[in-house]
Amino acid sequence: DTAVSQTPKYLVTQMGNDKSIKCEQNLGHDTMYWYKQDSKKFLKIMFSYNNKELIINETVPNRFSPKSPDKAHLNLHINSLELGDSAVYFCASSLAGEGNEQFFGPGTRLTVL
Amino acid sequence: QKEVEQNSGPLSVPEGAIASLNCTYSDRGSQSFFWYRQYSGKSPELIMFIYSNGDKEDGRFTAQLNKASQYVSLLIRDSQPSDSATYLCAVSLSSASKIIFGSGTRLSIRP
Repeated sequence: DTAVSQTPKYLVTQMGNDKSIKCEQNLGHDTMYWYKQDSKKFLKIMFSYNNKELIINETVPNRFSPKSPDKAHLNLHINSLELGDSAVYFCASSLAGEGNEQFFGPGTRLTVL
Repeated sequence: QKEVEQNSGPLSVPEGAIASLNCTYSDRGSQSFFWYRQYSGKSPELIMFIYSNGDKEDGRFTAQLNKASQYVSLLIRDSQPSDSATYLCAVSLSSASKIIFGSGTRLSIRP
């Protein structure tokens, strides 16, 4: 299937743990993103990579570290998880350049207990 | 002032009527405007984009853009129960290669 995929779909973990979310796109896009959607449905960009290079790094705690091994993959590692990190995390991809449609993955629902 | 503002709703519209969703934005230099639909528990999907002032129609959907008023809207004609979802307005920033999403308007189509 041609798509943006994320794993895992659900992640339940204890405070203080470290976890990773993986994202892959087979659309041939150059740019990938991580968004956080909180309980009020507000979708906020966290990071953006273009051809493996970081181009957007919003005000996000440095416990969050993205890694892009190649332009088809963008992973998100989170250290020392906190209760406030509970949210749905969406990966997205697009062609490079402003104004291009972003295609979203199915989301990863992270619950920190 | 928020960069992209939407009324959170819920907006309740009878089946068959026109649903009108509104969005205002603060960056006068923005060039690209998007409407995404998000069903509960699902990811956002693009339904319309518009770059120029005026109207753009695609089936039952019409996007309207007024850059002077910094206003973009989405009209859904002949509303169906399947249109019940949260609609996210998104605007590209002139100063950075990113788009900013509004907090979404929850639309409910009542039979």
